[in-house]
Amino acid sequence: DVKVTQSSRYLVKRTGEKVFLECVQDMDHENMFWYRQDPGLGLRLIYFSYDVKMKEKGDIPEGYSVSREKKERFSLILESASTNQTSMYLCACERRNMNTEAFFGQGTRLTVV
Amino acid sequence: SQQGEEDPQALSIQEGENATMNCSYKTSINNLQWYRQNSGRGLVHLILIRSNEREKHSGRLRVTLDTSKKSSSLLITASRAADTASYFCASPPGGSYKLIFGSGTRLLVRP
Repeated sequence: DVKVTQSSRYLVKRTGEKVFLECVQDMDHENMFWYRQDPGLGLRLIYFSYDVKMKEKGDIPEGYSVSREKKERFSLILESASTNQTSMYLCACERRNMNTEAFFGQGTRLTVV
Repeated sequence: SQQGEEDPQALSIQEGENATMNCSYKTSINNLQWYRQNSGRGLVHLILIRSNEREKHSGRLRVTLDTSKKSSSLLITASRAADTASYFCASPPGGSYKLIFGSGTRLLVRP
């Protein structure tokens, strides 16, 4: 089974801090995604990566950056955390073939105080 | 922007009844997928239907796809209390690898 591991289940950070959310997958999948989930808004795509060092902006990239130096690891970076970035963050991966399923991590609930 | 919009936003049914959720999307797609999320957890893939398919079954799940109406439905038959969860449709907009989700349907199955 594919395993997608997010570094933290719960995280509390202060406003202005630089925050790193890590995601590691063990199945050699090309595509990796970062979403945030807020009540009533569903999952919104922040960034997407289809290969090492490659990235594309999603619908809400402002205030975020990403890093993919190795195929198995996709990091989401909050450059200067703000309270409106308090949310559930979900990482996913999938094989590049367009008709395959995505696998999700367990989520990181980030609170910015 | 969201590719899919689910309807209804919330659904409450009795155990044993069928649950139907609908999804509408905006652009052409290669496939449409349904996912389930238990409270506060990650999403789990349920079923994928390709753009050239009209109906697909998996256990108690039945998915239909109408590309002319840009809509899909998920039917859960003989629901169980354990089916209580949020359900999301998702698809990669035509030619894109990005997987875009809708806002979800919260299903409550009462014992």
